[in-house]
Amino acid sequence: AQSVTQPDIHITVSEGASLELRCNYSYGATPYLFWYVQSPGQGLQLLLKYFSGDTLVQGIKGFEAEFKRSQSSFNLRKPSVHWSDAAEYFCAVALNSGGYQKVTFGTGTKLQVIP
Amino acid sequence: ETGVTQTPRHLVMGMTNKKSLKCEQHLGHNAMYWYKQSAKKPLELMFVYNFKEQTENNSVPSRFSPECPNSSHLFLHLHTLQPEDSALYLCASSQDYPIIPNYGYTFGSGTRLTVV
Repeated sequence: AQSVTQPDIHITVSEGASLELRCNYSYGATPYLFWYVQSPGQGLQLLLKYFSGDTLVQGIKGFEAEFKRSQSSFNLRKPSVHWSDAAEYFCAVALNSGGYQKVTFGTGTKLQVIP
Repeated sequence: ETGVTQTPRHLVMGMTNKKSLKCEQHLGHNAMYWYKQSAKKPLELMFVYNFKEQTENNSVPSRFSPECPNSSHLFLHLHTLQPEDSALYLCASSQDYPIIPNYGYTFGSGTRLTVV
């Protein structure tokens, strides 16, 4: 069964510092990969996705993610974090299984930004 | 405003109550989903509707009863819930199903449900 691991439950970074959130998946084939962000009291908003092609994908709000097949990873990065980036971030893996979508979300990483 | 609207935002109900959650989207999407988000657990898919027809029911207890009268509206009827059902219930939509949507899923802001 496919699984998604976000090993960091909580991360604190200083405003202006760089950020990397980790995501590893477990599946034999290359799935479709997503990163979502959830601000307090809100639903999930799509940041970026990887389907195929260039392994470095750009998203909204200055985020990017790199797909590394050899490491089964899809880590999210931002060069300089802003206070408004404080939120919870979810990695998701999707694949077609038996003709149906199978989407699995990670447990999330909560980002705290300090001055 | 994401395009998917959920009401109410907060709901407190007793275990013997009956209540309903509502979700509405006018994005022209054909598929709608109910997810349950509990603390420290991954999002759990509950139900999928495609063109108003229920396509998936992920072993959800019968005290949760979905209804999809048209492609724009989705309800979750609740009755005789348990305290462990307290969670954030998220509605989502996508253009297509079962094809994985190229533009991801559009989520509502959720209903924070507390069962007392």
